[in-house]
Amino acid sequence: NAGVTQTPKFQVLKTGQSMTLQCAQDMNHNSMYWYRQDPGMGLRLIYYSASEGTTDKGEVPNGYNVSRLNKREFSLRLESAAPSQTSVYFCASSTTSNEGRTEAFFGQGTRLTVV
Amino acid sequence: GEDVEQSLFLSVREGDSSVINCTYTDSSSTYLYWYKQEPGAGLQLLTYIFSNMDMKQDQRLTVLLNKKDKHLSLRIADTQTGDSAIYFCAERGPGGSYIPTFGRGTSLIVHP
Repeated sequence: NAGVTQTPKFQVLKTGQSMTLQCAQDMNHNSMYWYRQDPGMGLRLIYYSASEGTTDKGEVPNGYNVSRLNKREFSLRLESAAPSQTSVYFCASSTTSNEGRTEAFFGQGTRLTVV
Repeated sequence: GEDVEQSLFLSVREGDSSVINCTYTDSSSTYLYWYKQEPGAGLQLLTYIFSNMDMKQDQRLTVLLNKKDKHLSLRIADTQTGDSAIYFCAERGPGGSYIPTFGRGTSLIVHP
């Protein structure tokens, strides 16, 4: 099983450029997430998708858009990149057991630098 | 990560025990979790504890839960250099949602 696959692994953008981060999972999970990780800030939720066809804002959605293309794929788009968006981005998916235990599975991350 | 608090750094000597602490806010969390992030990688679930338990042991790992104080700890016995990583405490999201909410992470540095 590949689990959660993110592309690209590294990216450098100039301020104002746009790009899309791709994410796919092969575990048949309904829920998918995009987080950003910054030093000393931990993981902050950007957007999430509870199921195919639905998306919702997380803690820090400004400057981002998402698309849940199908059950497998959840992409994150930066329309006009800013230096404040320099970060490591993680895609994740999760499954919740009947007992209410949720396990999240993460991709390897995309290290984005905006200059 | 504001609802889950952790100290940012812990440095220990190889062979010693490490204790990573966390305080959380959602008293209705059924499960609490510890995730591990190795350098250059995503997070992986390390262990979890059901809220009606006080302690869970899994080989070198011991999880302690104090529900009254909303305090969770992870003890790693005989810490090895391979344990160097960032450890995240996690609970359910606000209002009991299924969305994992993570603390800021504790960087564990193990030196010889």
